[in-house]
This record gives sequence, C-alpha cells and structure tokens, in this order.
Amino acid sequence: QKEVEQDPGPLSVPEGAIVSLNCTYSNSAFQYFMWYRQYSRKGPELLMYTYSSGNKEDGRFTAQVDKSSKYISLFIRDSQPSDSATYLCAMSDLDSNYQLIWGAGTKLIIKP
Amino acid sequence: GAVVSQHPSRVICKSGTSVKIECRSLDFQATTMFWYRQFPKQSLMLMATSNEGSKATYEQGVEKDKFLINHASLTLSTLTVTSAHPEDSSFYICSARDLDRLYEQYFGPGTRLTVT
Repeated sequence: QKEVEQDPGPLSVPEGAIVSLNCTYSNSAFQYFMWYRQYSRKGPELLMYTYSSGNKEDGRFTAQVDKSSKYISLFIRDSQPSDSATYLCAMSDLDSNYQLIWGAGTKLIIKP
Repeated sequence: GAVVSQHPSRVICKSGTSVKIECRSLDFQATTMFWYRQFPKQSLMLMATSNEGSKATYEQGVEKDKFLINHASLTLSTLTVTSAHPEDSSFYICSARDLDRLYEQYFGPGTRLTVT
C-alpha cells in the first residue's frame, strides 16, 4: 500500500462545475498537506498548503484536511478551462525533514 | 512567490556524452535543493537532496556516480548526467526551499532530456 493514494483520473467536468480532488494517506505523522498544480511539460506550482487539520481558502480554491480520517481534499469553484492540469497532493512531517511524499496526481479536464 | 529557474529547458544529446542541468533560486537563498525525475503520466520521483556545501544524499536505487549533484552556493545547484544512455531520457525537475520555510518547496520549470 502506498503512503499516499490519489486517483489518477482523468476527471472531466463541464466549465463552471465544482471540482473535488482527494487524497488519502496512511502516515498519521504527516503535518503539512500541499496541493500542487502541474501543466503539461512544466514544473509543479504550489497552490496552497494546510498545516494539520482544517480548511484553507484562496480565491476559488479550498483545501480541507481531516486527520482523523486521513483524508484531504481540494475544491475548485467555478472551474475554468485554464484549470485543466494535473493536481498533485504531497505531504510531509518534521521527522522526515519535510521530505515530500507524493500522490500519483489527478488529471483534470475542464470542458468549455 | 519564490522563483526557481532551470536551464536548459530542453536538451538532446548523444549516448555516452554528459549533460549538465542548472537550477537557480532567483529571489531567495536555498539551503536545500531537490532533484526529481518524472516519467510520462507519473508522479515525481525524488532522486537526491542537496544541502549547500555538503554532499548530496541520494535515494535508494539512484547511482551517485551517474547523477552528479553539486550545490556550491545558496542559489545554484547542478545535476550532471554522466555517460548518458537512452534510458536516462526523462523530465528532470529541481526544487528549492529556504531555511525559514522548510515545509515549502518551489519547483523549477523542468528540463526535458532526450538521449539519442
């Protein structure tokens, strides 16, 4: 079993829809939960991160962490074709010097 | 946000030659830099971690004599692929973090290496 599980998709939704992307994990020591967006043939871009449990909102993006369920989510409201990309979750903790443990990435397609 | 550059963005080389890839942090001092490799439709695979002024730490299965990493300054790390072979063809990405925010990694745009 991988430390971080993420459905690779692809996930295809119409423009304007609310998108929900998720990851589950097994290591309860994880403290930081990151979401990266990666366009084709580009490096990942840090979208947002959450420390421990709770919600964090940034514009159309909301990140949620439920440590009791070992489950994290990224919600995208009013999705746009420009949001089409691969979204990777990553997690880290102090004991491993914050080395990122990655999910497989979910390919998201927003249809105009 | 923090900016990391990589050069070159694409390189084609002949089998048996060596290729150097540069990674620079443009607006912060990167005490630690990471080198990743990414195959098509796969996630990132960490190759090595380098701290400024120290020898790099390589992940299991990564040949340190083949992938030479140098982190000579707080803004520059280099990855040299020595005696490249077609199976080394891949997308190589670096990332960097500074001492104040150890949990944040900022990524370069990546380098696509093709070995013919």
